[in-house]
Amino acid sequence: SYELTQPPSVSVSPGQTARITCSGDALPKKYAYWYQQKSGQAPVLVIYEDSKRPSGIPERFSGSSSGTMATLTISGAQVEDEADYYCYSPDSSGNHWVFGGGTRLTVL
Amino acid sequence: EVQLVESGGGLVQPGGSLRLSCAASGFTFSNYWMTWVRQAPGKGLEWVANIKQDGSEEYYVDSVKGRFTISRDNAKNSLYLQMNSLRAEDTAVYYCGYTPFDYWGQGTLVTVSS
Repeated sequence: SYELTQPPSVSVSPGQTARITCSGDALPKKYAYWYQQKSGQAPVLVIYEDSKRPSGIPERFSGSSSGTMATLTISGAQVEDEADYYCYSPDSSGNHWVFGGGTRLTVL
Repeated sequence: EVQLVESGGGLVQPGGSLRLSCAASGFTFSNYWMTWVRQAPGKGLEWVANIKQDGSEEYYVDSVKGRFTISRDNAKNSLYLQMNSLRAEDTAVYYCGYTPFDYWGQGTLVTVSS
């Protein structure tokens, strides 16, 4: 079955740039979506269709995709950005979707 | 305003059944593929199943295939998940929604335990 691979953890200091990657064979042809989830809360969409930012999401959040890797970039990460981040995308058929395993972002 | 209200969760014994419901409002329900995702305690998000706008196609994650059935009633703006032969590993909060999942409900907790 299809898999999306994320690093388990990323750590940066406040003000630094955090990059979270998501690797999958179908990503060259399928969009990636990114979600932020803080402890005890429902996920929040932060990037859709590889690089689009929903209204209300700070500009420091950006997304890109190249080849088999999608990347979520948080420029000037803040303490409040500490959370789990998940990528989401379908397999090559477009019918079965999968989440990456999640990346715990620590900002301290 | 988009609202997604999941219900039907609870405590069930292994091998038992539950039917989850999702009441949708604030968007044209019949225009969207609808999806169930879940999150086990302390674990990551998992896509469970989705269903086409007219119900003619449905797809499942391998771990629930043959045990779960997704369905919808466009007249009632409702999505369902019939869960049979439940296992301890099905314990999770279940959410309904549609890609890009820019709206989330509160979820409904399913606990499978004896």
